Amino acid sequence: AQTVTQSQPEMSVQEAETVTLSCTYDTSESDYYLFWYKQPPSRQMILVIRQEAYKQQNATENRFSVNFQKAAKSFSLKISDSQLGDAAMYFCAYRSRNAGNNRKLIWGLGTSLAVNP
Amino acid sequence: SAVISQKPSRDICQRGTSLTIQCQVDSQVTMMFWYRQQPGQSLTLIATANQGSEATYESGFVIDKFPISRPNLTFSTLTVSNMSPEDSSIYLCSVVMGYGYTFGSGTRLTVV
Repeated sequence: AQTVTQSQPEMSVQEAETVTLSCTYDTSESDYYLFWYKQPPSRQMILVIRQEAYKQQNATENRFSVNFQKAAKSFSLKISDSQLGDAAMYFCAYRSRNAGNNRKLIWGLGTSLAVNP
Repeated sequence: SAVISQKPSRDICQRGTSLTIQCQVDSQVTMMFWYRQQPGQSLTLIATANQGSEATYESGFVIDKFPISRPNLTFSTLTVSNMSPEDSSIYLCSVVMGYGYTFGSGTRLTVV
């Protein structure tokens, strides 16, 4: 069975600086999706970024980018120029691409990010 | 991406009663997921609901406790039955849409 591990329960960063959140996963599959979701205190889950495993190029969305290392099964999230609004819980998630009708996500435990002014 | 309206946003309920949570999606979706989340913790999948078929429950969750309705492709309900304080949690619905998964805003349930 697939698992997702986020080894940093809490992180903090100074405003305008860069922070990297770690995520590793375990799978025997070769084709899958990886996600980073953000959950601020409002509880709303927000998709930050998605990576398809067959793509070698790392996904980027504005200040958010990933370092996807397929062989190492690592999927870290880098937040550049951190802003106060980035403070949230960040979840890493995995989904098999070839799961037929089963599209459920496998979730990490989350990393709580604090942004200091 | 889809927009999900989830109701109620919060409720305080007496033990032994039931609460029904509703999720309305602004477009048709095949699959809907129901999660439970303790504050500050990760999401735990309760069940997957497909329109026209019985929901598929994860280990540790049973239909008698968490009955799910999926009458059409835009709507679903989750009922938390015979509640106890241990059911106090945040409940979220989610759908697969295009690029990723969209979530409702959650229902914070407190059982007293």
